[in-house]
Amino acid sequence: KAGVTQTPRYLIKTRGQQVTLSCSPISGHRSVSWYQQTPGQGLQFLFEYFSETQRNKGNFPGRFSGRQFSNSRSEMNVSTLELGDSALYLCASSSPGTPWEQYFGPGTRLTVT
Amino acid sequence: QQQVKQSPQSLIVQKGGISIINCAYENTAFDYFPWYQQFPGKGPALLIAIRPDVSEKKEGRFTISFNKSAKQFSLHIMDSQPGDSATYFCAARESNYQLIWGAGTKLIIKP
Repeated sequence: KAGVTQTPRYLIKTRGQQVTLSCSPISGHRSVSWYQQTPGQGLQFLFEYFSETQRNKGNFPGRFSGRQFSNSRSEMNVSTLELGDSALYLCASSSPGTPWEQYFGPGTRLTVT
Repeated sequence: QQQVKQSPQSLIVQKGGISIINCAYENTAFDYFPWYQQFPGKGPALLIAIRPDVSEKKEGRFTISFNKSAKQFSLHIMDSQPGDSATYFCAARESNYQLIWGAGTKLIIKP
């Protein structure tokens, strides 16, 4: 079974631009969660999607948004990028039977200059 | 109420020694406590997990000890090896299945 894939792996953007990150979950997994990881801050939960609906949301500004498609693939969008948005963005998927067991992708390293 | 506090932030252990990472929580509604291991350039991977009705769970060299009354749980890595060098995260599950994460511990095993 293929793991969680994220594209692109690396991205450099300029302050004020917007960016879209993509995540393909493990086949059969319907839940996709997004996290921001920065040094010293651990994993900060952004949001979770299940069957195309946002089920949970973390404490991030509205510039961070996401969506999930009918094939469970998910995208995350960040508008009006700020320098502080530089981070590793991780996507995790889980199966309907064990939603608490999360399988992570390798992440997208976003650098905002 | 929602936090999971993890310590230490970093840890250096000699090869063959025991690595111990601790986590504490406040919310007694948490009902599942996993540990994740993350290597550089990779996403975290589930290592071992425990439910609050069990005081200890062992898988190979990795053991979780759980103290429900103290609201604490810890990860013990026996006979630590250089390949165990990674960042370890504890987490706790809320009733809506969302995981609340500790801040992480960077473990370095010295040969």
